[in-house]
Amino acid sequence: DVKVTQSSRYLVKRTGEKVFLECVQDMDHENMFWYRQDPGLGLRLIYFSYDVKMKEKGDIPEGYSVSREKKERFSLILESASTNQTSMYLCASSFLDGREKLFFGSGTQLSVL
Amino acid sequence: QKEVEQDPGPLSVPEGAIVSLNCTYSNSAFQYFMWYRQYSRKGPELLMYTYSSGNKEDGRFTAQVDKSSKYISLFIRDSQPSDSATYLCAMKDNQGGKLIFGQGTELSVKP
Repeated sequence: DVKVTQSSRYLVKRTGEKVFLECVQDMDHENMFWYRQDPGLGLRLIYFSYDVKMKEKGDIPEGYSVSREKKERFSLILESASTNQTSMYLCASSFLDGREKLFFGSGTQLSVL
Repeated sequence: QKEVEQDPGPLSVPEGAIVSLNCTYSNSAFQYFMWYRQYSRKGPELLMYTYSSGNKEDGRFTAQVDKSSKYISLFIRDSQPSDSATYLCAMKDNQGGKLIFGQGTELSVKP
C-alpha cells in the first residue's frame, strides 16, 4: 500500500514563528502536493511539485514556500506563521500521469496562536 | 461561481438506506471524475474513478457522470454505519490541469 506520512498530527505555534511541515511518500511518486482544508472552503491547493527541486504555485501560495530536495520528501514552510494559517494541512502524492489519483497523508492540524 | 458545487450537508440516514450524493460543475473540459472518502481525522482516500461519461459500479457504490447536465452522482446502496464520512467529489480536465474538489458532503449513517 502507498503510504504518505506527515511528520506531525497536531502542531501549536505562535504568531511569527517559522513552521516546517514534513511529508514523506514511499511509492516513488513524481508528484507531491500540499493542500489546506478549511470548513466551508474545501481543499485548496497551496503548492505542488512534479520533480525534485521543481515547484509550482497552487491557488493560495501566499505566505508559504516549499522545498523538495529528495523525490520522496516534500516540505511546506510557513515563513512567519499567522493566525489565518490555522488549518488542516494535507500532503498528497501521485504518479506523474495520474494527478487525478491522489494518495493523501493523515493531515497536520496546525493551530497558530 | 465555483467550478464545482457540492451540498455540504450534513446528511443523516438510517442504516440500510440508499444514499445519493451529488456535484454540479461548470467547466465542460472536465474529463476525469472522482469521489474521495474522508473519515474523521484522516486524509481523503480515492473511492471511485470515472473517465468521461457513464456509470461505474464497485460493490455497494455506483458513480454516475452526466456530462450533458454537468452533474455527477455517487450512490451508496444498503448504507452502513461504517460509511459515515465526508465524501468529496473531484474533477480534472485532460490537459494537465489541477484537480478541483467540491466542498465535501458529511454523511452520517445511523444504526
